[in-house]
Amino acid sequence: KAGVTQTPRYLIKTRGQQVTLSCSPISGHRSVSWYQQTPGQGLQFLFEYFSETQRNKGNFPGRFSGRQFSNSRSEMNVSTLELGDSALYLCASSRGDREGDQPQHFGDGTRLSIL
Amino acid sequence: GDSVTQMEGPVTLSEEAFLTINCTYTATGYPSLFWYVQYPGEGLQLLLKATKADDKGSNKGFEATYRKETTSFHLEKGSVQVSDSAVYFCALSFRYGGSQGNLIFGKGTKLSVKP
Repeated sequence: KAGVTQTPRYLIKTRGQQVTLSCSPISGHRSVSWYQQTPGQGLQFLFEYFSETQRNKGNFPGRFSGRQFSNSRSEMNVSTLELGDSALYLCASSRGDREGDQPQHFGDGTRLSIL
Repeated sequence: GDSVTQMEGPVTLSEEAFLTINCTYTATGYPSLFWYVQYPGEGLQLLLKATKADDKGSNKGFEATYRKETTSFHLEKGSVQVSDSAVYFCALSFRYGGSQGNLIFGKGTKLSVKP
């Protein structure tokens, strides 16, 4: 069974640009969550999508947005990039149809570097 | 707010030593508790979980018991191996309400095991 796939693995952008990251969940999983990992702040929740609807959102500015498609694949977009957006962005999927105790399965992440 | 506190690392042990990584949490409800492990250059892998008080999660020789009275979920292993070298994250999520798909993580504890 294929795991969670994130593309691309690495990205280099400059300040002010925008970027789109992609996540393909495990087959049959309808919930996709996104996290930002930095050395200073650790792992922080960005948002979760379930059946094409944003179900939960973390405390990030509006420059961070996402969407989910009918096949459960998800994209995350960051506009007007800032140096502080340099991070490892992790995607996780789960079945999402039972409340709270479905473990999340993580991809290997996209390493975003802002110059 | 809800939070997870882990012992700070790094932790350096010799092979076959006993491991304990402390984790305590603050939560307004009754969360599910998790330990995730991250190897260099990879995403997070679920190590074990517990969904209610007094549950014991176990996997690959690692164990943790959900202690409601002390709000703790300490990770233990009787005999560590070099291959256990990684970063370990304690996390919680909620079974009900709007926090589905939202894992709250501790800062992580880096473990290095020497031969």
